[in-house]
Amino acid sequence: EVQLVQSGAEVKKPGESLKISCKGSGYSFTNYWIAWVRQMPGKGLEWMGIIYPGDSDTRYSPTFQGQVTISADKSISTAYLQWSSLKASDTAMYYCARRFSSTEYFDPWGQGTLVTVSS
Amino acid sequence: DIQMTQSPSSVSASVGDRVTITCRASQGISSWLAWYQQKPGKAPKLLIYASSSLQSGVPSRFSGSGSGTDFTLTISSLQPEDFATYYCQQASSYPLTFGGGTKVEIK
Repeated sequence: EVQLVQSGAEVKKPGESLKISCKGSGYSFTNYWIAWVRQMPGKGLEWMGIIYPGDSDTRYSPTFQGQVTISADKSISTAYLQWSSLKASDTAMYYCARRFSSTEYFDPWGQGTLVTVSS
Repeated sequence: DIQMTQSPSSVSASVGDRVTITCRASQGISSWLAWYQQKPGKAPKLLIYASSSLQSGVPSRFSGSGSGTDFTLTISSLQPEDFATYYCQQASSYPLTFGGGTKVEIK
């Protein structure tokens, strides 16, 4: 079974750094792009960016370029999303999702990681 | 960026009803469109891709149509498990973008 399992919920203070993870299993991790999607409380879905674990080729939405860093460690089949200095406005649920075949559709998705940033 | 506009933002319907949700792209995207279902507290689930292709395991009461700028998701006979929020997503160009969502509620 193809599966993405994300790291657990985080509570952080403004200005702190954070790295959340997404571990793939049941398929060849290096061969499929992994995207990150933000969902702010009570809001819709926002595509943040995407990485190809095989060579770490990464693309960002202009909205998120410079605000986060997407990376991957293919040796442990894990993709990451990180912040160097969190803001309260980063409070959201973050999902990773695998590209479906060679398309820009996404299936499956991870279960989500809730990030809460509060002083 | 390509803007995706869904309507309505919410719809109240009964079990057995036919429900139609529309999605409009700010520019032509051919058939590069997907529909996702999201239930409260859960991750989105891919229902339809390439405008009209049913993802494996998705019930046949779901169907999609459209090309260019106008797209439709239809649920032919609403079931209790279909009450959820539905999102369209364009897959034509980066940055990929989603519609604002349509919440299907129990009437």
